[in-house]
Parts: sequence; structure tokens; C-alpha cells
Amino acid sequence: AQKITQTQPGMFVQEKEAVTLDCTYDTSDQSYGLFWYKQPSSGEMIFLIYQGSYDEQNATEGRYSLNFQKARKSANLVISASQLGDSAMYFCAMREGWNAGNMLTFGGGTRLMVKP
Amino acid sequence: GAVVSQHPSWVICKSGTSVKIECRSLDFQATTMFWYRQFPKQSLMLMATSNEGSKATYEQGVEKDKFLINHASLTLSTLTVTSAHPEDSSFYICSARRGGAEQYFGPGTRLTVT
Repeated sequence: AQKITQTQPGMFVQEKEAVTLDCTYDTSDQSYGLFWYKQPSSGEMIFLIYQGSYDEQNATEGRYSLNFQKARKSANLVISASQLGDSAMYFCAMREGWNAGNMLTFGGGTRLMVKP
Repeated sequence: GAVVSQHPSWVICKSGTSVKIECRSLDFQATTMFWYRQFPKQSLMLMATSNEGSKATYEQGVEKDKFLINHASLTLSTLTVTSAHPEDSSFYICSARRGGAEQYFGPGTRLTVT
């Protein structure tokens, strides 16, 4: 079974509007971390936001927020006030277990295109 | 912030030759580094986990003798693609863990084998 599922291969959003990128995960661990990364066409991976499984509040970083619904095992990324520079691939990832050195498992990614 | 560099950023080599890719953590010591591979329009796939001073742990399906990983110091890990073939052409990305929750990614190396 897929550990990380991103069901939206591609999405369009109008500039200045908000957009939600979906991510569901599958794990039997009680302790895990969820990450979102942005990958522009240049290829570099840019860390956006992190949510720990025991964090009670949803993580926020500027225009990025993570809608963490533990019971549903979802960790959707919300980007508010989209900008043209937000056009990129977005990957959701999970690290299972306590050890921060554990590997990340990535979802298939969502290509976001922001329309002017 | 934490900076990870990779060298070279892109390389073209002939089939049968070997290519070395370096991954450096520039402003922190990384006890663990990770090597990923990404084919066009696909997600990142973990190849191996590299711990300083010990042998790398390879993911299932990754050939240890073909993809040699050396983590000689707390700031440097190298990936050598031996006897490269066109099917090895890909985008290789390393990441380093500083000790907190997130991994810091290098900018990637695009390998083309002709």
C-alpha cells in the first residue's frame, strides 16, 4: 500500500486565491512527522512546513498552513494568496518513528500552476 | 539556515565510465545523509542512507556495487555511479540531517549518460 498519496497530479489556481493540495498517509506508528516540499523547475527541494504527529495545533509558516486531520490521516497543504512564483511541484513526505534520522517517504507530487 | 551543496550540478558522461557526485553540508555537521533519485515527472525515491564512518544502508532494488556511497566526514558524502549506462540518467539529490526534524536538500545533479 502507498504510504503517502497525493491524488491531484496537477492543479490550476488563480493568482491571489487560496489553494489546497491534498495528502493522505498510512502508518501504524504513533510517532511520525509530515513534511511538504516545493520543487521548482530548477529541481531543488525547498522545505515548506512540518507537522509532528503529537502537535496539537496545525503548523503554519507564512502563507503556508498544514490542515492536519489525524483521524483521517490527512495532511493537506493550504497556500493562501497564491503568487506566480508558487508554480512548482509540491511533494508531501512522511518520516515514521522517533528517530529524526529515519528516511522520508515521498508522495507522487502535485504540479501547481498559478494563472495570472 | 542550513545549506547543502552538490557538485557537479550537471554532468554528461559516456556509457561505461564512472561518475562521482559530491554532497556537502556547508554550515553544519550532518551525521546522516540521504541519496535520492528522481526520474522525469516522478517523485523522489530513496536510494540509500549514509551515516558518517559506517557503511551505507541501501534500499531494496538499489545495487550496492553500482552506486558506491562514501560518507567520509561529517560534511561530505559522495555517490559514485560505476560503469554508467543510459538507464542511469536521472536527477540525483542528496539531503542532510542536522539534528532537527527536517532534512536539508542539495540542489541536485542531473546525470546524462550517452
